[in-house]
Amino acid sequence: GQQLNQSPQSMFIQEGEDVSMNCTSSSIFNTWLWYKQDPGEGPVLLIALYKAGELTSNGRLTAQFGTTRKDSFLNISASIPSDVGIYFCAGYGSGNTGKLIFGQGTTLQVKP
Amino acid sequence: EAGVTQSPTHLIKTRGQQATLRCSPISGHTSVYWYQQALGLGLQFLLWYDEGEERNRGNFPPRFSGRQFPNYSSELNVNALELEDSALYLCASTHFGMNTEAFFGQGTRLTVV
Repeated sequence: GQQLNQSPQSMFIQEGEDVSMNCTSSSIFNTWLWYKQDPGEGPVLLIALYKAGELTSNGRLTAQFGTTRKDSFLNISASIPSDVGIYFCAGYGSGNTGKLIFGQGTTLQVKP
Repeated sequence: EAGVTQSPTHLIKTRGQQATLRCSPISGHTSVYWYQQALGLGLQFLLWYDEGEERNRGNFPPRFSGRQFPNYSSELNVNALELEDSALYLCASTHFGMNTEAFFGQGTRLTVV
């Protein structure tokens, strides 16, 4: 079945540094979504991408829909302590199965 | 506008019992997704309901079941609970069911003892 491979699995960075994470798939995805999850909470939608090549920003966050439609990237600029959490990519695969699947997540820790 | 709401927030059950979890989607959303998130792990797709019908199902045993009501709220039932069913159960809702933004509730923490 369709799977999303997210990397890195975890990151430990200094406050103020930029962060980059990505998600890849062996098959085409029609939509990419990026979420952040705090411990014990539900994921919160950060950015949605709908077109190949699309680049979208939300404050210090920027995400891109890869031109091959098989990958997506999320960048966080000038990280701050409240960026700590788990970041997930998610997508709807081709074939209109409607199944929204998730990457394994990237755990981000920020050192003040 | 109210977001996705789930109840209860926490649930403690004994092995072998049944658990019922509830989800109310955002007003106007017709689709509801259920996910299981074991501690420290990712989101595993359980079930997808749209317009009252089960549209897709993840790789879980039949004791995981659910339904969607005419008002689009949904219920997840887990029968014959096992210790490994302990997890955060998350519900998400979307418009039209496909390729759109999905919004999550706060989850139900199920603990099986």
